Amino acid sequence: EAGVAQSPRYKIIEKRQSVAFWCNPISGHATLYWYQQILGQGPKLLIQFQNNGVVDDSQLPKDRFSAERLKGVDSTLKIQPAKLEDSAVYLCASSLDSEIYEQYFGPGTRLTVT
Amino acid sequence: AQKVTQAQTEISVVEKEDVTLDCVYETRDTTYYLFWYKQPPSGELVFLIRRNSFDEQNEISGRYSWNFQKSTSSFNFTITASQVVDSAVYFCALRGFTGANSKLTFGKGITLSVRP
Repeated sequence: EAGVAQSPRYKIIEKRQSVAFWCNPISGHATLYWYQQILGQGPKLLIQFQNNGVVDDSQLPKDRFSAERLKGVDSTLKIQPAKLEDSAVYLCASSLDSEIYEQYFGPGTRLTVT
Repeated sequence: AQKVTQAQTEISVVEKEDVTLDCVYETRDTTYYLFWYKQPPSGELVFLIRRNSFDEQNEISGRYSWNFQKSTSSFNFTITASQVVDSAVYFCALRGFTGANSKLTFGKGITLSVRP
């Protein structure tokens, strides 16, 4: 079974530029999550989708971050414009459903904002 | 709000030593789940175990074992006869069921280095 795929793996941009990350969850997984992991910390949930609907985006900085999951499969997370403090690893995860099932994580995208 | 504390930040052991990673949690939910994840240098978080709040039985899986004690709000993880491949960052996480607690909350992680 293929795992969660993410691209790109690494991205370096200057502040005020925009960037987009892509995620393809495990086939059949209804729930998709985007996390931000700052160096030395645990992942922090940014947004959770159930199929193509948003379940929780309470910690998403909506003035600059946006995410979509068209057709309930792939998802894209965008930052526009980027700030220095957005430097982090962005992890995508998926689970069968949003209840008790464990989440499976992708390899992440390491973003450096200079 | 729920919280996970991993007081140890870095642990270094020699191969074949046993090592215990501590995890203390706080939640007001009566039903919750606890998890351990491993993050090797490649960056991908690997699921290790999930326990629910009603099951306090200890669990053993090969060299890994977990000790869940509700009385002390702890869910500790022991690696027996550690190996170099165990070197990684280990995260404890908590998921409740009410409102904001229904998201997965991670601790800051413990960096384990196993030296040959």
